[in-house]
Amino acid sequence: DAGVIQSPRHEVTEMGQEVTLRCKPISGHNSLFWYRQTMMRGLELLIYFNNNVPIDDSGMPEDRFSAKMPNASFSTLKIQPSEPRDSAVYFCASSLDERRGSGNTEAFFGQGTRLTVV
Amino acid sequence: QKEVEQDPGPLSVPEGAIVSLNCTYSNSAFQYFMWYRQYSRKGPELLMYTYSSGNKEDGRFTAQVDKSSKYISLFIRDSQPSDSATYLCASQRAGNNDMRFGAGTRLTVKP
Repeated sequence: DAGVIQSPRHEVTEMGQEVTLRCKPISGHNSLFWYRQTMMRGLELLIYFNNNVPIDDSGMPEDRFSAKMPNASFSTLKIQPSEPRDSAVYFCASSLDERRGSGNTEAFFGQGTRLTVV
Repeated sequence: QKEVEQDPGPLSVPEGAIVSLNCTYSNSAFQYFMWYRQYSRKGPELLMYTYSSGNKEDGRFTAQVDKSSKYISLFIRDSQPSDSATYLCASQRAGNNDMRFGAGTRLTVKP
């Protein structure tokens, strides 16, 4: 398996533009996470899905952010309109949640999308 | 206040030194504790995890959790230049799939 695949790797956009980040999780994984990483705030969980259903979106900073998972092999994170303070590295991660109530589930991260909003 | 606190460093040590990395957490419901390693311009990768309190050893790496004090530690023995990376601690509740990360400590091991 190629691991978690994110695209694009780099994105530079102007303030006010719409930005769409894409993620393909590892085949067979049923949980998907979107994280944002900055020097100031570290790695923050934005939203996570289980079996394509959003479970916790409390980390989504504003209504400008939205995430979808139309099927088990694809997810998007959209920012509309984008602002300079959205500049960060956005990571997607996936894991297999066996829901047995015990046992750690390792999350596998993609390479990230480095977003710069100017 | 973040649920997991970690000193971002940076930390610089000579090759062969023992490295101690630490985190504290605030949520008593956390049961799983992980250390991820992140090389420059890469995604984090799981290094070790422990369940509840106790120690876990894997080669040169030892993870410790003290739930009474809500303290998480990672020790690296005989540190190597290839250990230079950012180390992130993370915590997770049992039966819950999302992790909360510390800020990450940037470590440099100088030859």
